[in-house]
Formats: sequence, structure tokens, C-alpha cells
Amino acid sequence: DGGITQSPKYLFRKEGQNVTLSCEQNLNHDAMYWYRQDPGQGLRLIYYSQIVNDFQKGDIAEGYSVSREKKESFPLTVTSAQKNPTAFYLCASSWAPGPNSPLHFGNGTRLTVT
Amino acid sequence: SQQGEEDPQALSIQEGENATMNCSYKTSINNLQWYRQNSGRGLVHLILIRSNEREKHSGRLRVTLDTSKKSSSLLITASRAADTASYFCATSGGDSSYKLIFGSGTRLLVRP
Repeated sequence: DGGITQSPKYLFRKEGQNVTLSCEQNLNHDAMYWYRQDPGQGLRLIYYSQIVNDFQKGDIAEGYSVSREKKESFPLTVTSAQKNPTAFYLCASSWAPGPNSPLHFGNGTRLTVT
Repeated sequence: SQQGEEDPQALSIQEGENATMNCSYKTSINNLQWYRQNSGRGLVHLILIRSNEREKHSGRLRVTLDTSKKSSSLLITASRAADTASYFCATSGGDSSYKLIFGSGTRLLVRP
């Protein structure tokens, strides 16, 4: 079955530690995205990548970093510089970059930092 | 800044009734999309409606778009308990043409 796999489902970290969230897709999609969702709110874009070895900042990129070395993989690192890292993180992909390709989402990683 | 805003924030209906939720946005758009999110899960794409379309259907779903009023509505007919979820509209266009901007969602509860 094709889809997007995010791991782990739950992640707990101490304040000051960097943490990397995994996102893998086997849909052969070119574009991949990371969103953050806080309780009762919509999604906010962190980073997106339209093609391998290229990525752009979204609306709330501060304190996060990404890489796109392979088409299938788009890991997100939450650094100690992110002031409020506790949130639900969603990875998505689309077959082409741009607004006319619907997004396919993974089932998210819930990160708790104490 | 947030583009789409859904209304109402929460909706509770009886199974079999219709559910209508609305989305308003501020700037011109290329298209508008509706997504569903079950609790603790990722979003699932429902419908994409382009700026030159006025209505679109998919099964029990009907989406309308009124670009003059900068608004869209999602109608779910003959609702089922399994329709219980949060529903989000997302828009692209204006100066964010390569990004989808999501509203804060409508939480729908369908009582059996």
C-alpha cells in the first residue's frame, strides 16, 4: 500500500535536546511538507520541498531544520532554539508542487517536551 | 496570516441530518480544498474546487464556492456517526500561491 509513514507516533524529550521526526513516502511524490498543529487550531507550514535537494521555509521555520537527500524522505529536526516545541507534527506530500495537487498526510507525531 | 476561517467552530447533529459548514477567506484564490481529520490522525483530502467552479459533488459531499463573497460551504448529507471529525478548508493563491493555508476547522459530532 502506498502512503506516508511518520515515526514515532509519540515522542518525549527534555528541554534543550534536539529531536528528529521521520517522514517516509512511497507515493513517488515530488513535493513534501511539514506542518505543525496546536490544540484546536489549523495547520501551520514549517518547511516544504518541491524537489530533492531543495527546500524552502514556511511560515514558522524558526527553530526547525530539514533535509531532502532522497525523494522518499523528508526528516524534520526540532532544535533547542524552538521555544514551544510541544505540538502535533504532520508530514504531507503531493505528486507535484503547487496549489492544484491535493496533499496526502501521514498520521502525525505527537511531540512532548518537558 | 490565516486565510480560511471555518464557521461554526463546532457542530452537533443527529445521525441522518445534514451538516453544513462554511469557510471564508480574504484574498483571491487559485483553488479551495476541504480536508477531514479524525481525532489524533492525519488529514484526508475530500474535495478540491477551482476558482472558476461554483459547485462540486463527491458522494454525500457537496461543496460550493462563491468568489464574490470569498466563501465556500461544505454540505454533508444524511450524516453518519463515522462522519464525526474535524473539517478544514485550505486555500492557495494570492502571494502564497505555492502554499496551502488552513483554517482552524469545524468540529463535527454526529450523534447516533
